[in-house]
Amino acid sequence: QVQLVQSGAEVKKPGSSVKVSCKASGGSFRNYAVTWVRQAPGQGLEWMGGIIPVFGTPKYAQKLQGRVTIIADESTNTAYLELRSLTSEDTAVYYCVRDPAFGWSGLDPWGQGTLVTVSS
Amino acid sequence: DIVMTQSPLSLPVTPGEPASISCRSSQSLLNDNGFNYLDWYVQKPGQSPQLLISLASNRASGVPDRFSGSGSGTDFTLKISRVEAEDVGVYYCMQGLQTPYTFGQGTKLEIK
Repeated sequence: QVQLVQSGAEVKKPGSSVKVSCKASGGSFRNYAVTWVRQAPGQGLEWMGGIIPVFGTPKYAQKLQGRVTIIADESTNTAYLELRSLTSEDTAVYYCVRDPAFGWSGLDPWGQGTLVTVSS
Repeated sequence: DIVMTQSPLSLPVTPGEPASISCRSSQSLLNDNGFNYLDWYVQKPGQSPQLLISLASNRASGVPDRFSGSGSGTDFTLKISRVEAEDVGVYYCMQGLQTPYTFGQGTKLEIK
């Protein structure tokens, strides 16, 4: 059964960038998409964007356009989220999750989450 | 963007009693294929969200049958027939019909 394993917590300065990885263990992203969702402290869930690795063309939330890049490496079954020009409002737990892409069956499974803290 | 609205936002329940959460969308989630692209997720304390129900009424693998989903179009409901202590958490509805996927505000279920 596939598990998504994310990279560890990060502490970043305002204005810097962060890159979070998400590796599929025990399976692959073949025939699936990868979606990224974030959750600010004490807040709800926010869709950031996603990518279908076999196609390679990502979609992004409008509010993050220009600051976010999502890529996927099929050879290593790893997806990456890069967020630039960080501010304190980007402090959040970032989740990757497998997205059915072709025929809906919900977002499942979710990674364990990566806490990104932006602080001077 | 499709706006998702849940109620109530807080739900204290006595163990063994039923519970119900409502979710409304600002536009129909009924796809041309006849399915409603509405999911339910639960985030238990200190954990990642996990899928409970997809396509409005399909329980995910391993989800107890005391959980059920219903509804169509713009109005959906998650019901728990008999709440157990392990059901504590925040429940979210989400539409997967179009990007950006959007979530409800979350309903915090707690045990009385």
